[in-house]
Amino acid sequence: AQSVTQLDSQVPVFEEAPVELRCNYSSSVSVYLFWYVQYPNQGLQLLLKYLSGSTLVKGINGFEAEFNKSQTSFHLRKPSVHISDTAEYFCAVSDEGNDYKLSFGAGTTVTVRA
Amino acid sequence: DAMVIQNPRYQVTQFGKPVTLSCSQTLNHNVMYWYQQKSSQAPKLLFHYYDKDFNNEADTPDNFQSRRPNTSFCFLDIRSPGLGDAAMYLCATSDWDRGQNTEAFFGQGTRLTVV
Repeated sequence: AQSVTQLDSQVPVFEEAPVELRCNYSSSVSVYLFWYVQYPNQGLQLLLKYLSGSTLVKGINGFEAEFNKSQTSFHLRKPSVHISDTAEYFCAVSDEGNDYKLSFGAGTTVTVRA
Repeated sequence: DAMVIQNPRYQVTQFGKPVTLSCSQTLNHNVMYWYQQKSSQAPKLLFHYYDKDFNNEADTPDNFQSRRPNTSFCFLDIRSPGLGDAAMYLCATSDWDRGQNTEAFFGQGTRLTVV
């Protein structure tokens, strides 16, 4: 069975500072990994995804993530955040052996302050 | 243009009165998902369809049902809503082609209030 752990429930950060959101997963087969962002009262928007290939993945809005198979991690980073990055961030995983399910971590609330 | 459309965005229903939430997609994706998301929590998968094949999560209450009459539409029926069913309901689609997953595309959600 697959599962996702987001290690930080809340991350306060100052504007223009870097941010890293941590995500670890467990799965017994090849995985597909995703980061989504959710603004208040909105659906989820894809930031980036790892399906295969290069372990460093670049997404929208200046975000990037690195897939580390040995550490079963997929941490999200941004070198300089803006006020508009204040949102909830979810790491998600799906795998070939799990009936097309997409499972989410508990989420990390990022609050950017001026 | 919106690709996964949920209607309505906000739904108020009475305790015990059946309610239906709808989702449509223009992506022609073969998989459709329904998630329940309560305040400050992760989305919880209720069920999903791969084409017409229905897959129910083991812990989804019997009170929740779903229909997918064709590729484009999927409905969530709550037969007797309770106060604990108040939540955001998210519909998503993805295209599983020869085992190669792409990302799930989400609708804007329907926020259900039970009074």
